[in-house]
Amino acid sequence: GENVGLHLPTLSVQEGDNSIINCAYSNSASDYFIWYKQESGKGPQFIIDIRSNMDKRQGQRVTVLLNKTVKHLSLQIAATQPGDSAVYFCAVAGNMLTFGGGTRLMVKP
Amino acid sequence: DTGVSQDPRHKITKRGQNVTFRCDPISEHNRLYWYRQTLGQGPEFLTYFQNEAQLEKSRLLSDRFSAERPKGSFSTLEIQRTEQGDSAMYLCASTRTGDYEQYFGPGTRLTVT
Repeated sequence: GENVGLHLPTLSVQEGDNSIINCAYSNSASDYFIWYKQESGKGPQFIIDIRSNMDKRQGQRVTVLLNKTVKHLSLQIAATQPGDSAVYFCAVAGNMLTFGGGTRLMVKP
Repeated sequence: DTGVSQDPRHKITKRGQNVTFRCDPISEHNRLYWYRQTLGQGPEFLTYFQNEAQLEKSRLLSDRFSAERPKGSFSTLEIQRTEQGDSAMYLCASTRTGDYEQYFGPGTRLTVT
């Protein structure tokens, strides 16, 4: 099976700084990865995805980097805002999603 | 249709009681998933349906748990003889076959006292 883990349970950043959230996975055959954001009392919300044939994908203020050699992916949030405060999960996608443990991002004003 | 809906949002029950949750997926989505999430953890897969067929069940889904999707639209998740360890957020998600992105509902928070 797939094991997905995150490196830091909590990340505190200053408003306006960049945030980097990391994730590791175990199955080298994994093909598709998704980052979700979960605010308190809500279900996870899609942020950005990446296929294994890419090493970088950019969205609005977010970038996902994939390093297949070391089975690691990261989510970068540029100019972090208070509204970015949430728990962030990486997930490996197959027939179902396998989630990591989550990183709580706290943005200090 | 603006998204996945779940009902109820919160449920408090006494140990030993049965509970049933409902999920209404996005209307054009033929796949429906159930996940369980405990505090501080990521969601864990329980089961999923493609149309009305239940295609896969996790080892987490004990025989006290049963899920149905009789007409391939809404789904119900029933827990019989609830235990305190069943306390969690139960999330429903939906998608189309061939798509990886799943759209989640707001969840049903179950508390077993």
